[in-house]
Amino acid sequence: EADIYQTPRYLVIGTGKKITLECSQTMGHDKMYWYQQDPGMELHLIHYSYGVNSTEKGDLSSESTVSRIRTEHFPLTLESARPSHTSQYLCASSDSGTAKETQYFGPGTRLLVL
Amino acid sequence: EDQVTQSPEALRLQEGESSSLNCSYTVSGLRGLFWYRQDPGKGPEFLFTLYSAGEEKEKERLKATLTKKESFLHITAPKPEDSATYLCAVQDFGNEKLTFGTGTRLTIIP
Repeated sequence: EADIYQTPRYLVIGTGKKITLECSQTMGHDKMYWYQQDPGMELHLIHYSYGVNSTEKGDLSSESTVSRIRTEHFPLTLESARPSHTSQYLCASSDSGTAKETQYFGPGTRLLVL
Repeated sequence: EDQVTQSPEALRLQEGESSSLNCSYTVSGLRGLFWYRQDPGKGPEFLFTLYSAGEEKEKERLKATLTKKESFLHITAPKPEDSATYLCAVQDFGNEKLTFGTGTRLTIIP
């Protein structure tokens, strides 16, 4: 059972606001990821981290930024939200110490920018 | 570039009517093929990982199989609670990301 949490679950916000989506995991996993998913579409990787103080951009261009100051915490920030940022954001984590490295997902944050 | 195609896009079955979902993939070096279940408004829930052709995994009414080009998720005597979107993803060696398909939306009618 995966223990990965995301807050808020839903967010409606106006254009130009700064927002931070929170992601925490209690499994001690070293790797963490952010994916973006639009309705009926594939998940696309936007950021990932190998561990503390490591962050990398994924394949999908994103105006968001991430930080990894603690192993368990991987927040995603949008400095100035726009309607094009409306989407579902999914956080995941995995343990590189296992051969499988299965990615476990949180419940997601559904973001609507007006 | 890795690619994943899932079919059908949607499938409606009567309760107890067995069927299979298909995941065709292209990858330079398969590290793993993953099946997830996703309920509306929720994150994907991990089901199986398959690593090499010929491998099979089972969990309750679900059985996943793998060949060099595709994977099947067989569902036997499904129940309404099996209704969900089933996602297939592949991971390439040396690549952190999972490449997902768009999923098969499965509806089981009581």
